[in-house]
Amino acid sequence: DGGITQSPKYLFRKEGQNVTLSCEQNLNHDAMYWYRQDPGQGLRLIYYSQIVNDFQKGDIAEGYSVSREKKESFPLTVTSAQKNPTAFYLCASSLGRDNEQFFGPGTRLTVL
Amino acid sequence: KQEVTQIPAALSVPEGENLVLNCSFTDSAIYNLQWFRQDPGKGLTSLLLIQSSQREQTSGRLNASLDKSSGRSTLYIAASQPGDSATYLCAVWVHGNKLVFGAGTILRVKS
Repeated sequence: DGGITQSPKYLFRKEGQNVTLSCEQNLNHDAMYWYRQDPGQGLRLIYYSQIVNDFQKGDIAEGYSVSREKKESFPLTVTSAQKNPTAFYLCASSLGRDNEQFFGPGTRLTVL
Repeated sequence: KQEVTQIPAALSVPEGENLVLNCSFTDSAIYNLQWFRQDPGKGLTSLLLIQSSQREQTSGRLNASLDKSSGRSTLYIAASQPGDSATYLCAVWVHGNKLVFGAGTILRVKS
């Protein structure tokens, strides 16, 4: 089955901890994206990557970091510098620029 | 800066009704427009992608139109069903290789 997987589904973080969210795709897509969704707001872009070993900041990159060592994987680290990390995080992929974008099931992060 | 607005914010209709969801964007320089559906606590499901050179796309009971010059798109749902209840999101691809999303329309179809 082709698709995008995200893990874990739920994640709890204590203040001051870094946590890493996993995103894997087997669609052979070049581009991958991370979004954050807060209640009542549209999705906001955190980081995106068009190709392996390259990525760009989105609109709200502060307090987050990413890597793209493999085409299939695009993990997101939420660092302790992110002041309000509680949110629903969504990973997406597409063949390339302005192609149809497909989403994973999401990870809900809660700071305790 | 591109801004996407969706009206209405919420809509409740009886089963069987045809309905229209609206999306507007401030900058007509878009590459394409995509409509998504999101169920509570889930990821987004792509419904339709309209290329900037196209006027509309159809998939089953769904029809999406695009008018770039006026900065508008509509999603038409025919013969609505309770299973259509979800949040519908509109997003436009802009220069800089990213999607800009609206806040969504929450649809409830009553049986």
